[in-house]
Amino acid sequence: EVQLVESGGDLVQPGRSLRLSCAASGFSFRDFAMHWVRQSPGKGLEWVSGINWISGTIGYADSVKGRFTISRDNAENSLYLEMNSLRPEDTALYYCAKSRAGVWYFLDSWGQGTFVAVSS
Amino acid sequence: EIVVTQSPATLSVSPGERATLSCRASQSVSRNLAWYQQKPGQAPRLLVYGASTRATGIPARFSGSGSETEFTLTISSLQSEDFAVYYCQQYDDWPSFGGGTKLDLK
Repeated sequence: EVQLVESGGDLVQPGRSLRLSCAASGFSFRDFAMHWVRQSPGKGLEWVSGINWISGTIGYADSVKGRFTISRDNAENSLYLEMNSLRPEDTALYYCAKSRAGVWYFLDSWGQGTFVAVSS
Repeated sequence: EIVVTQSPATLSVSPGERATLSCRASQSVSRNLAWYQQKPGQAPRLLVYGASTRATGIPARFSGSGSETEFTLTISSLQSEDFAVYYCQQYDDWPSFGGGTKLDLK
C-alpha cells in the first residue's frame, strides 16, 4: 500500500524559512515523479512544484518560483520542499503527491498533508 | 500556463439524481485530464484519468468524457457519500487544477 507522510509544517514569521519532508513507502519511490500541492484554508488545490524520478526535470508554480526548492533523495525514499522568504499567502496545507509516471501526469496517491502558517 | 475553469462552483442535487460537472481548459490538453474527489478533512482521491478511465475501485456511476478543452464528470445516481468537492486537473503541461465544484445536498 502506498503511504506518503508529510512533516515539517509549523507556524513561522513572514520572511523566514521552513523545510517540508515527505516519507514514501509501499512503492518503488525512485521510479516515479513526485509533486507538492497546497490548499489554503477553505480554498481549492494549487500545484506548487514537481520533480521527475532523477531530479532532471523540475517545475514550480509562478507564485513560488525563486523562493521554493524541491528535491528528493531516492536512497531515503524522501521528497523535500525548501521554502524561503515565506509570505502570509503561503499559509496552507501542503500535500505530497505521487505521479502515476512522469512529471506531466495525474496524481494517484496523496499524503494527509502538513500545515504551514505564516504570520507575525 | 494552462488555466482550468470549473462550473458551476456549487451544484445542489438530490440523492438518486444525476450530477453533471464541467471543466474547461484554456488550450487543448488532448485527453490529459483527471478528476479528484475531496471530502472535508481528507486528501483528494483520484476518480478519473485520461478524461474517461476510472481509477481503481471507483464505482461505475462515475463517468468522465470530453477532449481538447471541454470535459465533463457525470455521477449517474448520487449516493450520500458522493457529496463532496470535485476538482479537475490537466497534465498536458505542468499540472494545474480547476477551482472545484462543490456538490451540495438539495
